[in-house]
Amino acid sequence: ILNVEQSPQSLHVQEGDSTNFTCSFPSSNFYALHWYRWETAKSPEALFVMTLNGDEKKKGRISATLNTKEGYSYLYIKGSQPEDSATYLCAYNNQAGTALIFGKGTTLSVSS
Amino acid sequence: DVKVTQSSRYLVKRTGEKVFLECVQDMDHENMFWYRQDPGLGLRLIYFSYDVKMKEKGDIPEGYSVSREKKERFSLILESASTNQTSMYLCASSWAGTSGATYNEQFFGPGTRLTVL
Repeated sequence: ILNVEQSPQSLHVQEGDSTNFTCSFPSSNFYALHWYRWETAKSPEALFVMTLNGDEKKKGRISATLNTKEGYSYLYIKGSQPEDSATYLCAYNNQAGTALIFGKGTTLSVSS
Repeated sequence: DVKVTQSSRYLVKRTGEKVFLECVQDMDHENMFWYRQDPGLGLRLIYFSYDVKMKEKGDIPEGYSVSREKKERFSLILESASTNQTSMYLCASSWAGTSGATYNEQFFGPGTRLTVL
């Protein structure tokens, strides 16, 4: 059974705080790792797709790293804002032609 | 502006009814997916399709079927709706690329919240 684990399940931070989440996945037969942001009443939107060990990607205040050898990825948010409040989903793909396996998500709440 | 649309945002059906959920994408994507999302369980794959008339079972296909007669449209069918199929249903699509891979980012529709009474 292929499992994607995300932690923490939820967290609450103050505006301006920096935070990070973890995604763990099986390290064998790695193909790709995705991060999605899902805001309430909206559709999930892709943040990053990473395929190479050591990959680091950045979009504004959000960045992600990937370690395929040990099977984890971190998502960082610098200086959290209320509009960052959302559920952040991690998804893993272990070979070409197969569908993504999603974690249960980390729900972030940012207070002003 | 690329789009994945779903036929209804909210739907209420009775037990035993046949239910059709429609999904249309305008990005000429080869791959299309149906998920359901339940509290505490995350997104679970029901079926996916990598080409017209092709389909693959996901993690929880029981009680569902799908149809893909045209590239842009992927339908999810509940043959006889049951109360345990009350859920949020999300459709997604992705580009296959030259290798037919499903690693490319997925574009999601707005979801259909189905209630079966």
